[in-house]
Parts: sequence; C-alpha cells; structure tokens
Amino acid sequence: SQTIHQWPATLVQPVGSPLSLECTVEGTSNPNLYWYRQAAGRGLQLLFYSVGIGQISSEVPQNLSASRPQDRQFILSSKKLLLSDSGFYLCAWSVVWRSLNTEAFFGQGTRLTVV
Amino acid sequence: GQNIDQPTEMTATEGAIVQINCTYQTSGFNGLFWYQQHAGEAPTFLSYNVLDGLEEKGRFSSFLSRSKGYSYLLLKELQMKDSASYLCAIPWGGGFKTIFGAGTRLFVKA
Repeated sequence: SQTIHQWPATLVQPVGSPLSLECTVEGTSNPNLYWYRQAAGRGLQLLFYSVGIGQISSEVPQNLSASRPQDRQFILSSKKLLLSDSGFYLCAWSVVWRSLNTEAFFGQGTRLTVV
Repeated sequence: GQNIDQPTEMTATEGAIVQINCTYQTSGFNGLFWYQQHAGEAPTFLSYNVLDGLEEKGRFSSFLSRSKGYSYLLLKELQMKDSASYLCAIPWGGGFKTIFGAGTRLFVKA
C-alpha cells in the first residue's frame, strides 16, 4: 500500500533562519507531488507541484523553493524565513489515470511558526 | 479563471441530514473532489464526481451538475465525529493542479 511521510510535525523557527521540510512517498512510482500551505481557517494554497525528478512548477511568487532529488522525495526550503511563512504545510501525492488526476493523499502536515 | 464558493460554517444535530453546497467556475472541467479535514489534521479524500448525478458511498453522497457548476455533499445520520471542515476541490491545468475551496466547517451538536 502507498504511504506518505512528512516531517517534522511541528516547527518553531526564528525569522531569518533557513527551512527544510521533507516528504517521502512509498508504494508508488512516478507520483505527482505537491506542497500546499493552509492559513488558519482558510483553504489550501498550492505552492509547488512536480511531475517528475527535477521538474518543479511554482504557483505563487514567494520566499520558498522546492526540489525533487529522487522520484519519491519532495523537499520544501527557504534560505531566510519571514513571519508571513507561518502556516500549516502539507505534502501530497497523486497519480494520473486515464488522463485524469486522481485524488490527492496528504502527509500529516507540518505546523510552522516563525517567531 | 477558477473559483470555488462554499458556505463558511454550518451547524446540524446528531442523527440529522446535512447538505453542504459548492459552486465553482473553471475552464475545462476534470471532475470535482470532496475532502474531509479534522482540525489540525490533513485532508482525507471522500468522493470524486466527473459525471452528473449522485454518487452514494455509505452515509456520504455527492452530487454534481456540470451545467450549473454546482455540487453538494450530503451527510446522513450525522455523528459527532463528522464535525470537521469539508473541502470542495477541482483539478485544472491539465489535471496536475487542484484548487481547493476555503472549506465549510460543520459543527454537529448533540
């Protein structure tokens, strides 16, 4: 069966510090991978998605970057965190079946607080 | 562009039926998803509609009308554990991107 691991679950970081969140998927090959951010009481905002190794699409201009060094590994990074980067970050995967994107399966999420 | 509208909050009584509506605008329809999200947790998949009509799955059913840009999630025999946010979502951009609504927070009271 497929599983997705995301860590850490919670993180408190000072302004200006770097960030690295990691996500790995097991039990599937060549998944589409996503990073979402959710502000309190809001919907999910798509930050990045990837359809293959080294292929990253950015949805919104921001202080963050993403990388996919391996097929089932997706990393969210920042060189210098801002207060506005605080939020609930979710990694997700899906596959394309008959030209349609299947449902997304989410990691447990990382609650990031920048202080 | 793409847009999704859902009511912000709803309250219902345990054992009752509740309908959560979602209206959307998109260019190039590729189906509609419903997810459940408990506070502080990740969303989990509930249903997917790509054709018009009602899809039933246990206590949960989802309806779609593509001509009206409208969907609803129907929850029957409500239980306290159904208190959660319910997110409507539509894929676009060739299906690789999924846009989520802000979600409807459902409160189930005894």
